[in-house]
Amino acid sequence: EIVLTQSPATLSLSPGERATLSCRASQSVSPYLAWYQQKPGQAPRLLIYDASNRATGIPARFSGSGSGTDFTLTISSLEPEDFAVYYCQQRSNVPETFGQGTKLEIK
Amino acid sequence: QVQLQESGPGLVKPSETLSLTCTVSGGSISNYYWSWIRQPPGKGLEWIAYFYHTGSTTYNPSLKSRVTISVDTSKNQFSLKLNSLTAADTAVYYCARYDMMPTGSRYFDFWGQGTLVTVSS
Repeated sequence: EIVLTQSPATLSLSPGERATLSCRASQSVSPYLAWYQQKPGQAPRLLIYDASNRATGIPARFSGSGSGTDFTLTISSLEPEDFAVYYCQQRSNVPETFGQGTKLEIK
Repeated sequence: QVQLQESGPGLVKPSETLSLTCTVSGGSISNYYWSWIRQPPGKGLEWIAYFYHTGSTTYNPSLKSRVTISVDTSKNQFSLKLNSLTAADTAVYYCARYDMMPTGSRYFDFWGQGTLVTVSS
């Protein structure tokens, strides 16, 4: 089973700042890595697929990069609605697995 | 736009079987792959299985022996049964569409709101 390790566990930033979230896989998953956003009491929302492609309707301030085992989600300028938990997910191997999440909180 | 809604009992006893249904609206269940995913309270996400309406199913090996998936195309619904429940199966259970992106890869692009299932006597 591929293990995804996200860092940091919690990221405290202010609106307008740049957020950089990391996801490291226990083996190569390229390019089959996605990012999801989850707000309290809501289902996850697909943001990025295949490492760098924005899903339908996702604002341009969200971008993904990386390859092999190291991936990054960047939010260029934080809006108030971006504070949430973010999960990475791989579909390179069965079982499909998720990271443990990074909580992005308001500083 | 497609919408998914999970339904089922919120409380189930240990050793019993959980039965959940996902009702899909805004699109035919026959044209897509679908999935079940769960999330224990305060924890991360765990993929359970994905499947096509024809019966082709891929399971998480850790749960395969306890999971049964069924599809009712006439009602545009699909169901999850999970047997031999323990407290570790307490979670919010989500159904989701597992759709092909323009790149050719499948990801979970539409989700239900989730339903909390508690396993307790």
